[in-house]
Amino acid sequence: DADVTQTPRNRITKTGKRIMLECSQTKGHDRMYWYRQDPGLGLRLIYYSFDVKDINKGEISDGYSVSRQAQAKFSLSLESAIPNQTALYFCATSDSIADTQYFGPGTRLTVL
Amino acid sequence: QQQVKQSPQSLIVQKGGISIINCAYENTAFDYFPWYQQFPGKGPALLIAIRPDVSEKKEGRFTISFNKSAKQFSLHIMDSQPGDSATYFCAASLETGTASKLTFGTGTRLQVML
Repeated sequence: DADVTQTPRNRITKTGKRIMLECSQTKGHDRMYWYRQDPGLGLRLIYYSFDVKDINKGEISDGYSVSRQAQAKFSLSLESAIPNQTALYFCATSDSIADTQYFGPGTRLTVL
Repeated sequence: QQQVKQSPQSLIVQKGGISIINCAYENTAFDYFPWYQQFPGKGPALLIAIRPDVSEKKEGRFTISFNKSAKQFSLHIMDSQPGDSATYFCAASLETGTASKLTFGTGTRLQVML
């Protein structure tokens, strides 16, 4: 969905490096989410934010941190990347009334 | 702890056939059950969703069947087409102010053959 953009789309990095994945949305939604997708494991929630001052851990938050810089921007950081963080990462948004989540195109991250 | 179990992991169906994907959940507090469709290189997108006050919802060739007592729900794709080839995820979420926080199944890769 072009209303939710993620940068970069692909990234290769080395073990121990700090990396930031960025998400921006023009849908005006107050809720934003970060997921990782691994083959056979589906989508797992890393962090979510229901407004600018609200940050919540998901089921797999260890090794990750987030920042909600504005209503439209939600960043995911890996402070010290490790190979098992190699995955496809998705940002999603929703509003506080409907339940539909709108996903970005994803970032493919490889940690060597 | 996997709260939403999805099967099969992969599915091959002939063009015109019926595709059936099943999900089972554990938490009886779940109140919203969507299915998401994901094409290669794209993010998932909502396909169809149901709430537990109805047993079936149909949108075109896509139908959700919901069995509250068995804690199961399924996606049926009638007259499956090659363009339906994608990965499908079931999900569930809770009410009480966090209705948007979804728990996803592990996904089913559907391939529709000509």
